[in-house]
Amino acid sequence: AQSVTQLGSHVSVSEGALVLLRCNYSSSVPPYLFWYVQYPNQGLQLLLKYTSAATLVKGINGFEAEFKKSETSFHLTKPSAHMSDAAEYFCAVIANTGGFKTIFGAGTRLFVKA
Amino acid sequence: EPEVTQTPSHQVTQMGQEVILRCVPISNHLYFYWYRQILGQKVEFLVSFYNNEISEKSEIFDDQFSVERPDGSNFTLKIRSTKLEDSAMYFCASSTDHDRFHFGNGTRLTVT
Repeated sequence: AQSVTQLGSHVSVSEGALVLLRCNYSSSVPPYLFWYVQYPNQGLQLLLKYTSAATLVKGINGFEAEFKKSETSFHLTKPSAHMSDAAEYFCAVIANTGGFKTIFGAGTRLFVKA
Repeated sequence: EPEVTQTPSHQVTQMGQEVILRCVPISNHLYFYWYRQILGQKVEFLVSFYNNEISEKSEIFDDQFSVERPDGSNFTLKIRSTKLEDSAMYFCASSTDHDRFHFGNGTRLTVT
């Protein structure tokens, strides 16, 4: 069964510093992987997705993620954090069990310090 | 860009009451979903719906829950007799296949 694990429920960085949010997946078939961002009291916004095309995926707001099959990872990065990046980030995988349900990780809350 | 719309944005109900959460998926999408997020917790899958029937449901989706696509455009989630622990954000989503998911902005359900 497909699953994702996000390492670190909270990550704190200084403004301008590198953002690295970790996600490892488990899947018996080539996975479809996603990162979503959720700002306080708002819905889920798709940041980027991996669907077996390029292993380095670029998303919105300067984020990117690299699919590494050997490490079963799909970590999210951004070279320089902005205050506006403070939010909850969810890694997710599609479980192809007939209905393509999305399985979410537990989430990582990103704090950005001035 | 087309959107999934959910109404209402916030619903308050008393314990034991029935609630219906409404969603309008993107018109050419074939798969429909409901998820919930209890405050401060992860997003959990409730149910998927395809070809006018439930294709998959989680253990959370018990007999108190039902879904319906009554008129070809709306997609509803009904909770028959709400409990305090049903308080959560409920997200509707739709997709054409495995990689084109669109989530609505959610309905915050508060059960008092």
